[in-house]
Amino acid sequence: AQSVTQLDSQVPVFEEAPVELRCNYSSSVSVYLFWYVQYPNQGLQLLLKYLSGSTLVESINGFEAEFNKSQTSFHLRKPSVHISDTAEYFCAVSRNQFYFGTGTSLTVIP
Amino acid sequence: DVKVTQSSRYLVKRTGEKVFLECVQDMDHENMFWYRQDPGLGLRLIYFSYDVKMKEKGDIPEGYSVSREKKERFSLILESASTNQTSMYLCASSLDRDRGHTEAFFGQGTRLTVV
Repeated sequence: AQSVTQLDSQVPVFEEAPVELRCNYSSSVSVYLFWYVQYPNQGLQLLLKYLSGSTLVESINGFEAEFNKSQTSFHLRKPSVHISDTAEYFCAVSRNQFYFGTGTSLTVIP
Repeated sequence: DVKVTQSSRYLVKRTGEKVFLECVQDMDHENMFWYRQDPGLGLRLIYFSYDVKMKEKGDIPEGYSVSREKKERFSLILESASTNQTSMYLCASSLDRDRGHTEAFFGQGTRLTVV
């Protein structure tokens, strides 16, 4: 069975500072990896995904994540955050089902 | 764009009532899922379905049932609502697993309060 661990439940960061949200997973087989973002009182939206190929994947709003097979990690990074990035972020893996982490609440401080 | 629509954004029900949460997707996805989301617990899978009239239990199926009579619609049923079922409920869909799992597409969520 797969499991997903998001190491930080809350991450406060100042505007324009860099941020890293950590995600580790456990799986004995190949999986697909995802990051989702959730704004208050909304559903989850896909931020980026890794299916195969290049281990570095990017989103349209400046986030990136790197798949590290040896460390079974898929950390999310952004070099300079904006106020609008304040949200809940979920890491997920899929094989036959989707398994989600418990989420990281990112708060960007003006 | 894929659209997953949940019938209600907010619901308030009384203890013991039978509650129906409806979800419809418009992209001919084979797979559909129901999750509940609670603070500090993330998303927990209640039930999922890979095909019409097919259902499988997730991690927390107790107190719930589902129905999938048509490919585009997946209903979650609370047979007798209890206060511990107060939560945010999220429906999702994805492409057929044999063609590779792409991302799950989510509805806006239904915030259910049982009083």
